[in-house]
Amino acid sequence: EVQLVESGGGLVQPGRSLKLSCAASGFTFSNYYMAWVRQAPKKGLEWVATISTSGSRTYYPDSVKGRFTISRDNAKSSLYLQMNSLKSEDTATYYCARPPMGSYFDYWGQGVMVTVSS
Amino acid sequence: DVQMTQSPSYLAASPGESVFISCKASKSISNYLAWYQQKPGEANKLLIYSGSTLQSGTPSRFSGSGSGTDFTLTIRNLEPEDFAVYYCQQYYEKPHLTFGSGTKLEIK
Repeated sequence: EVQLVESGGGLVQPGRSLKLSCAASGFTFSNYYMAWVRQAPKKGLEWVATISTSGSRTYYPDSVKGRFTISRDNAKSSLYLQMNSLKSEDTATYYCARPPMGSYFDYWGQGVMVTVSS
Repeated sequence: DVQMTQSPSYLAASPGESVFISCKASKSISNYLAWYQQKPGEANKLLIYSGSTLQSGTPSRFSGSGSGTDFTLTIRNLEPEDFAVYYCQQYYEKPHLTFGSGTKLEIK
């Protein structure tokens, strides 16, 4: 059974940093692209970042480019999201998700909440 | 970037009825469209990809249609567990992915 479990969320002040983790199990992690998707309170879904199988290629929307960094450790079946220079508009639930070849998302985690506030 | 416009944003229906949710792309995306179901306390669920292909485990009362710019998610004979929020998502411009704004389906 595919499982994606996020951790590392919490309350952080504007301008500070936070790193999210996602532990994957139930599939060969190194064979799949992985991604982060977020959802601000009472809002819709927004794609945040995607990483290729080896980690050599990463992709971001303009809203987080230059501030967020996605990475992975295939030996640990783990995905990460380093978030720097956080803004109040980054407040959201962050989901770890699996997009086969970077397309649609066939599995999602339960999400982890990040609140950016002073 | 491809913009995805979903309608309606809110829909009320009764069990046993059929509902239709629309998703329009700002430019042609061929059939590179997926539909998701979101329920509180549960992981988001992929229902349909490639516009009309049911993901394994998706009940047959769900169907997807359309190509180009206009897509529809149809749910026939609504069951109580179908009341949720539904999102469309394009992956024509992958890895740059965009979602529709969502449709909340509530019990009438």
